[in-house]
Amino acid sequence: EIVMTQSPVTLSVSPGETATLSCRASQSVYSNLAWYQQRPGQPPRLLIYGASTRATGLPARFSGSGSGTEFTLTISSLQSEDFAVYYCQQYTNWPQTFGQGTKLEI
Amino acid sequence: EVQLLEAGGGLVQPGGSLRLSCAASGFTFNNYAMSWVRQAPGKGLEWVSSIPGHARYTYYADSVRGRFTISRDNSKNTLSLQMSGLRAEDTAIYYCAKNRISAPDYLDYWGQGTLVTVSS
Repeated sequence: EIVMTQSPVTLSVSPGETATLSCRASQSVYSNLAWYQQRPGQPPRLLIYGASTRATGLPARFSGSGSGTEFTLTISSLQSEDFAVYYCQQYTNWPQTFGQGTKLEI
Repeated sequence: EVQLLEAGGGLVQPGGSLRLSCAASGFTFNNYAMSWVRQAPGKGLEWVSSIPGHARYTYYADSVRGRFTISRDNSKNTLSLQMSGLRAEDTAIYYCAKNRISAPDYLDYWGQGTLVTVSS
């Protein structure tokens, strides 16, 4: 099983600033990496797939990068609605696995 | 508009059974793999099971293999998860999710989830 490790567990930032979230895979997942956002009481929402492709309608201030085992989600000009939990997911091998999440808080 | 509506959650005793369903609309159901993902209270996401559009194969997490069965009825645009031998650690919100195309794959649409509580 490919283990996905996200860091940090919690990230405290201020509105208007830039947040950088990391995701590391225990073995190469190539570019088969997705990012999801989950707000309290809501289901997850797809943000990024293929490591760097934004989902339809996602603002350009969200960007993903990386390949192989190291990935980054960058959110610039943070807005109040961005404060949520973010998960990465690999879909190279079974079982498809999620990271434990990074909570982005004010 | 893609819509996924789960149903069937509830309170069940340890060792009991429950069947979840997911009604899909807004896309050509039989063209896409579908998945179940769960989230225990206050915890992260855990993939549970997936089934391709043709339903010839099924995939399970080790934690549920042999106890859960995923199926789909393409004539009714419905995904199901039959759960048996339920344990306290199966307590979670269960989300139905549409795969981008195949499996494994990323999940581009999610339902609101249905809560399963396993307790005596």
